[in-house]
Amino acid sequence: EVQLVESGGGLVQPGASLKLSCVASGFTFSDYWMSWVRQTPGKTMEWIGDIKYDGSYTNYAPSLKNRFTISRDNAKSTLYLQMSNVRSEDTATYYCTSGGRYGGYWGQGVMVTVSS
Amino acid sequence: DVVMTQTPVSLSLAIGQPASISCKSSQSLLGTSGKTFLNWILQRPGQSPKRLIYQVSKLYSEVPDRFSGSGSETEFTLKISRVEAEDLGVYYCWQGTHFPFTFGSGTKLEIK
Repeated sequence: EVQLVESGGGLVQPGASLKLSCVASGFTFSDYWMSWVRQTPGKTMEWIGDIKYDGSYTNYAPSLKNRFTISRDNAKSTLYLQMSNVRSEDTATYYCTSGGRYGGYWGQGVMVTVSS
Repeated sequence: DVVMTQTPVSLSLAIGQPASISCKSSQSLLGTSGKTFLNWILQRPGQSPKRLIYQVSKLYSEVPDRFSGSGSETEFTLKISRVEAEDLGVYYCWQGTHFPFTFGSGTKLEIK
């Protein structure tokens, strides 16, 4: 059974940094592009970016590129999202997904709330 | 960015009725590879999204065959031949052809 389990969310202050993790199981993680997508409290879906199966290439939404960094550790079957200088508009549920542009499985999501 | 427009915003159907959801993109989603990366997902109440269809019309193995996808270039449709209770939720189309990938605003399916 494929599982994607995100963690690392919570309440953070504006300007802080936060690192989300997504542990994958049930498939060969190192064979797949992986992505991060977030869903705002108003239910709008926003693609954050993705990373090639070997970690050698990343793509980002231009509006987030300067503050968010995606990485992966294939030995640990884990995807990461490093968020820096967070803002109130970053408040959302963050999902990791498999398959890149082809789509695929979604994790259960992790909530991030940015507030002082 | 490619704008994805879904209609209707919501629909209320009885079990057994057919459903149709439209998704239109502001640019052609036919990529240079000759593939069209238009996908559909379903988010049931209180759950994370689930994959339904990729590349316009390809169903994932676990998806019932009452679901179908069609379309090309800028106009796409998700159809459910006979709605069942488990089909309620919000359906999103999203495109993976042009960066940044973008999502429609969703269509909420309610069961009468």
